[in-house]
Amino acid sequence: DGGITQSPKYLFRKEGQNVTLSCEQNLNHDAMYWYRQDPGQGLRLIYYSQIVNDFQKGDIAEGYSVSREKKESFPLTVTSAQKNPTAFYLCASSHGRQVTSREQYFGPGTRLTVT
Amino acid sequence: QKEVEQDPGPLSVPEGAIVSLNCTYSNSAFQYFMWYRQYSRKGPELLMYTYSSGNKEDGRFTAQVDKSSKYISLFIRDSQPSDSATYLCAMSATGGFKTIFGAGTRLFVKA
Repeated sequence: DGGITQSPKYLFRKEGQNVTLSCEQNLNHDAMYWYRQDPGQGLRLIYYSQIVNDFQKGDIAEGYSVSREKKESFPLTVTSAQKNPTAFYLCASSHGRQVTSREQYFGPGTRLTVT
Repeated sequence: QKEVEQDPGPLSVPEGAIVSLNCTYSNSAFQYFMWYRQYSRKGPELLMYTYSSGNKEDGRFTAQVDKSSKYISLFIRDSQPSDSATYLCAMSATGGFKTIFGAGTRLFVKA
């Protein structure tokens, strides 16, 4: 089955630790995205990537880092510099190299709790 | 003011009712309008996708765009308990890359 997988589903970390969230897709999509979802707010874009070895900052990139070494994979690292990291993190992908592609397909999400 | 406004609800209706979900927006450049459904603790899934103004129907779902009023709607006919979820509107502009999401409306359909 084609789709996007994110792991783990739940993640708990102590304050001051970096943590990496996994995102893998087998849809052969060029573009991939990371969003953060908080209660009462829309999805906010953290980073996006149009092609391998290239990525751009979104609206709330501070305290996060990404890599895109393979087309299928777009891991997100939440660093200790992120002031309020507890949230639900969603990875998405879309067709083609134009990030103007509107139809985004989402993974199941990772809920990160930092204490 | 947010670019996209969406009433968070919750909206509670009896099974079989017609549901109307709405979003307003401020950016007249938006041309692409989407509705996503998100079940609790899951990722959103695309329900409807509309370009510019007009209506689009898919089964029990109808998406409506009124660009003159900067207002979009999603109608659900014969609502079912399985429709209970959060519905997110989303929109983007031609030539632009960002998709802006509403905060979502929680819907409960009671059996």
